[in-house]
Amino acid sequence: EVQLVESGGGLVQPGGSLKVSCEASGFTFSGSSMHWVRQASGKGLEWVGRTRSKDYNFATEYAESVRGRFTISRDDSKNMAYLEMNSLKSEDTAVYYCMRMDVWGKGTTVTVSS
Amino acid sequence: SYDLIQPPSVSVSPGQTASITCSGDGLGDKYTCWYQQKPGQSPVLVVYQDTQRPSGIPERFSGSISGDTATLTISGTQPVDEADYYCQAWASSALFVFGTGTKVTVL
Repeated sequence: EVQLVESGGGLVQPGGSLKVSCEASGFTFSGSSMHWVRQASGKGLEWVGRTRSKDYNFATEYAESVRGRFTISRDDSKNMAYLEMNSLKSEDTAVYYCMRMDVWGKGTTVTVSS
Repeated sequence: SYDLIQPPSVSVSPGQTASITCSGDGLGDKYTCWYQQKPGQSPVLVVYQDTQRPSGIPERFSGSISGDTATLTISGTQPVDEADYYCQAWASSALFVFGTGTKVTVL
């Protein structure tokens, strides 16, 4: 079964850091671009960024709203993708989804609050 | 920034056809995907590359493109189709963009 499972969400203070993870199974992870998408409560979907496969030198791209604060990485040996978030703001509060276009995880909730 | 504009809401009677539009500059030169999201659930891909339907997606879902407007059509709409729908395309600046979202209500 093709599956993505996010973990690592939680409560963090403004200005703090958090790293969330995405574990993939059921497909060839190493050949896939992996995206992170977030959704604030009651709001629409917002693309955060992606990591491309080895064929594209693991290139990463980011939305303007997170560029310079967030870092996406991957470990193909573990079928894992990561989203490291620094200098967090209240507006980063959202459910964070890992996705491969045709497959989405259930998401992990990140709350930025004092 | 690149914007994809959708109507906030569409209402349709059961068995009728619902059409959801997505407009953006130069959208006709890009591929559009459509996602369905039901309350409390993760999005599901229902159309990719403008017109292609993933396996497992009912035939009543179809996509089309005309000029800079993409359309998702739900033929013979069922109550289970009530959801939020988002279009998505790649902007020329290598940014992945979602549309503003459309809430489909089946009355």
